[in-house]
Amino acid sequence: QKEVEQDPGPLSVPEGAIVSLNCTYSNSAFQYFMWYRQYSRKGPELLMYTYSSGNKEDGRFTAQVDKSSKYISLFIRDSQPSDSATYLCAMRGNTGKLIFGQGTTLQVKP
Amino acid sequence: EPEVTQTPSHQVTQMGQEVILRCVPISNHLYFYWYRQILGQKVEFLVSFYNNEISEKSEIFDDQFSVERPDGSNFTLKIRSTKLEDSAMYFCASSYWPTSGGAGQETQYFGPGTRLLVL
Repeated sequence: QKEVEQDPGPLSVPEGAIVSLNCTYSNSAFQYFMWYRQYSRKGPELLMYTYSSGNKEDGRFTAQVDKSSKYISLFIRDSQPSDSATYLCAMRGNTGKLIFGQGTTLQVKP
Repeated sequence: EPEVTQTPSHQVTQMGQEVILRCVPISNHLYFYWYRQILGQKVEFLVSFYNNEISEKSEIFDDQFSVERPDGSNFTLKIRSTKLEDSAMYFCASSYWPTSGGAGQETQYFGPGTRLLVL
């Protein structure tokens, strides 16, 4: 079983749609959960950071962590064409080593 | 806003040659990392570095790889004898702390990457 699984997509939505991106994981030692955005041939850029279970909201973005189900989500409200990118979930335990998902490619069409 | 920078942006080398990838982490950060991403695959952890020592390394980081902080600003990844399978995007990252209870100081900031092509 892979440590982190993420549907690679691609996911295509119309502008203004609500987008839901998800990852599952197998390692119960993970405590820190992140979502990074990556544009083509660029470095990952941190979007959201959550410690343990719960929700966190930042503007149009909401991150959810359910440690009991080993499931994390990122919701994007009122999606914009500029949100078109690859979204990477990442997580770690008590060391700095990040474990990434495959990444989901999102296209928001005008 | 401070950012991590990497040079070169692209590097083409022949198999068996040595390459050095360079990174300038954010100035007050203390922890440094290298990751790589083979085209179409996941971003993979290679190594973390603190206080002039390797803190953790992955199985990928074998004897062909080494890291160094030669001065107060640069952080380098050396591949001694490149293989075809070393072709990838290499990302440097830095953070102030490696872990904490969620204060954010452990956030890893990534550079734009160096695309390495081994022929």
